[in-house]
Amino acid sequence: AQRVTQPEKLLSVFKGAPVELKCNYSYSGSPELFWYVQYSRQRLQLLLRHISRESIKGFTADLNKGETSFHLKKPFAQEEDSAMYYCALWGAQKLVFGQGTRLTINP
Amino acid sequence: KAGVTQTPRYLIKTRGQQVTLSCSPISGHRSVSWYQQTPGQGLQFLFEYFSETQRNKGNFPGRFSGRQFSNSRSEMNVSTLELGDSALYLCASSLLRERGNEQFFGPGTRLTVL
Repeated sequence: AQRVTQPEKLLSVFKGAPVELKCNYSYSGSPELFWYVQYSRQRLQLLLRHISRESIKGFTADLNKGETSFHLKKPFAQEEDSAMYYCALWGAQKLVFGQGTRLTINP
Repeated sequence: KAGVTQTPRYLIKTRGQQVTLSCSPISGHRSVSWYQQTPGQGLQFLFEYFSETQRNKGNFPGRFSGRQFSNSRSEMNVSTLELGDSALYLCASSLLRERGNEQFFGPGTRLTVL
């Protein structure tokens, strides 16, 4: 069975500091990984997916199959990055989410 | 394009009752998935429908059921409600079922069971 683990429920950093949200997964097949974000009073929305290898709002994430990780990174945090972030894995025809990390950017 | 809509937005029911939630996907999207979100369990997959057929089901009891209509609108039903069914129920639609397809989420229906 697939599983996604986000070890940090809460993460607080100062504006301008680097951010890394951790995500580890367990899946026997070839995974497809995503980061979804939910800003205050907004819907859950896709931030980025590993297959696209793109940078969205300054965020990047690299799939590391050896370490079974898909950590989300941003070199310089901005206040508008404060949100709930979910790592998700597509496997066995369904999307499985981690528990989420609430990121707070302090001014 | 209009986003995914869910009705009602809020519901209060008592134990033992049943409830039906509705989801209208983005026009042209044929896949609709349902999730239950709770503080303790996070986001958990309920089931997915594609072209009126349930294609996948999560680990939930048979009290949770759903269906999809020919216009891709979907409903989910929970019978014999329990206190633990209190949650935010999210619906998501996507164009296809294939890997990598972005899911577009609705605002959710907040169900409270008293």
